[in-house]
Amino acid sequence: AQTVTQSQPEMSVQEAETVTLSCTYDTSESDYYLFWYKQPPSRQMILVIRQEAYKQQNATENRFSVNFQKAAKSFSLKISDSQLGDAAMYFCAYSNYQLIWGAGTKLIIKP
Amino acid sequence: DGGITQSPKYLFRKEGQNVTLSCEQNLNHDAMYWYRQDPGQGLRLIYYSQIVNDFQKGDIAEGYSVSREKKESFPLTVTSAQKNPTAFYLCASSIGRGVSYEQYFGPGTRLTVT
Repeated sequence: AQTVTQSQPEMSVQEAETVTLSCTYDTSESDYYLFWYKQPPSRQMILVIRQEAYKQQNATENRFSVNFQKAAKSFSLKISDSQLGDAAMYFCAYSNYQLIWGAGTKLIIKP
Repeated sequence: DGGITQSPKYLFRKEGQNVTLSCEQNLNHDAMYWYRQDPGQGLRLIYYSQIVNDFQKGDIAEGYSVSREKKESFPLTVTSAQKNPTAFYLCASSIGRGVSYEQYFGPGTRLTVT
């Protein structure tokens, strides 16, 4: 069965600095997607970034980028120039028709 | 504006009562989902529906029921058989049920059963 592990329950970063959130997953499939979702205090789940497993190039969305290591089954999220509005729970999810979710990492931004 | 609405935001019920959570979408999406979120855990899939009048059990369907009579609506009933119903419930939808399809989420309903 596929599993997703986020080993950092909580991370903190100084405003304007860079932070990396870790995610590992386990699967025997070769074709799948990976997602990072953000859940701010409002609890509205928002897609941050997605990665297709067959693409070697790491996905980037403005200040958000991923480091996708398919062989290592690792999918970390890097947030550059952290802003106060980035404070949220971040969830990593694996998709092979069904989304499998990690337990989340709470990101705290220090002003 | 297109999106997903869930109502109410907060819901309180007495133990032993069934309760129905509403989920409506105007995105013209075929697939809809119900998730349960508990503290310290990721989302867990309760039920999903790929098309009207069809739905499938997810990982934790026991004690829950759903219907999909209209494309835009996917209500979830939490029955008295659900042993620990207090949780945050999220409804989502996607264009279809494919590997790459992004899921769009509603604002959620916090259910408290005492």
